[in-house]
Amino acid sequence: RKEVEQDPGPFNVPEGATVAFNCTYSNSASQSFFWYRQDCRKEPKLLMSVYSSGNEDGRFTAQLNRASQYISLLIRDSKLSDSATYLCVVNFIHSGGYQKVTFGIGTKLQVIP
Amino acid sequence: NAGVTQTPKFQVLKTGQSMTLQCAQDMNHNSMYWYRQDPGMGLRLIYYSASEGTTDKGEVPNGYNVSRLNKREFSLRLESAAPSQTSVYFCASSGKRTSVEFPSYEQYFGPGTRLTVT
Repeated sequence: RKEVEQDPGPFNVPEGATVAFNCTYSNSASQSFFWYRQDCRKEPKLLMSVYSSGNEDGRFTAQLNRASQYISLLIRDSKLSDSATYLCVVNFIHSGGYQKVTFGIGTKLQVIP
Repeated sequence: NAGVTQTPKFQVLKTGQSMTLQCAQDMNHNSMYWYRQDPGMGLRLIYYSASEGTTDKGEVPNGYNVSRLNKREFSLRLESAAPSQTSVYFCASSGKRTSVEFPSYEQYFGPGTRLTVT
């Protein structure tokens, strides 16, 4: 089983739609979780951290379910500019302070006019 | 504030040639990383440096060496390039940030180097 699993998509959705991505992780001791966005031929950029209580940033909502070991990202009112690949990232911090960062393969979103 | 910078942006090498990819960050981060990204494979860690003066192997270190020159700079060297090393290389840095819930180590990436080995 991969450490972090994502559906690679692509997810093709019309403008204005709501779309959700899930990501599962295998290490139950993982401590921090993130969603990154990567545009074609660009570097990944931090979209948002994911907190246990769920957190929202504008049209984006992230949730964490530690019991089932998955995180989710919900995008409401999709815009053409949301078209990108969304990477799920899971961190495990060793006692020495080193963080093991594991990236999912990414889910590709294409928003269609 | 440039964040993370990488040079060069593009490079074409012949098999057996050597080169060094340069990376620098101005965020005073302790940790720095080198990744490669290939289609269908996602990001894979080549080497990392948890702090100045230390380096460790990641998932795919074979064929690469690194140097943490100082806190700002972390270079990746290909001693004898092979076609299998054709990829996009990203450097990243991270520093501890105390967030609402847990210590957060968000990573910031450079723009990448597109390397082709023929």
